[in-house]
Amino acid sequence: NAGVTQTPKFRVLKTGQSMTLLCAQDMNHEYMYWYRQDPGMGLRLIHYSVGEGTTAKGEVPDGYNVSRLKKQNFLLGLESAAPSQTSVYFCASSPMGAGGGGEQFFGPGTRLTVL
Amino acid sequence: QQQVKQSPQSLIVQKGGISIINCAYENTAFDYFPWYQQFPGKGPALLIAIRPDVSEKKEGRFTISFNKSAKQFSLHIMDSQPGDSATYFCAASMGGSARQLTFGSGTQLTVLP
Repeated sequence: NAGVTQTPKFRVLKTGQSMTLLCAQDMNHEYMYWYRQDPGMGLRLIHYSVGEGTTAKGEVPDGYNVSRLKKQNFLLGLESAAPSQTSVYFCASSPMGAGGGGEQFFGPGTRLTVL
Repeated sequence: QQQVKQSPQSLIVQKGGISIINCAYENTAFDYFPWYQQFPGKGPALLIAIRPDVSEKKEGRFTISFNKSAKQFSLHIMDSQPGDSATYFCAASMGGSARQLTFGSGTQLTVLP
């Protein structure tokens, strides 16, 4: 199993450009998440999904949109990139477990620079 | 607003020593406290986790100590090794939709040979 994969690994954008980050998981997990990681701030949740066709806002959703058309894929879109969105983006997935809790499995990350 | 505060920001330990990282939380509804380990260029990976019904959990050289009344929990790495050099994140979550994790700011651990 590949686990959680992310494409692309690196990307440089100019301010105002748009792009989509793709996350795929082959573990049949119900839950998927998008985080951003910035120095000294840990990981912050952008958006998440509890199942195919569902999405919800996390802690820092502004400037991002997401879609989960298929259970195994979770897309993160930037419609008009800003320098403040320069970050490392991580996707994660988690099985739905009885009683809650449960490990989140992370992808290798996408390093995005917005000039 | 950061609901999980982590310290120290960085830590240097000699091989064989004990590494201790501390976290404090505010929300008493949190009921799951994992620690994640991240190596450079990689995504975080679950190291160990605890629920508030126990005060300590040990897995090999890694131990979580949990103090519910103080709303604090800590990671202890015994006999620290150079291979333990990584960034460690504490986190917390509560029951409900998708079990969202709130992460601490991270601790960069360096174990000197």
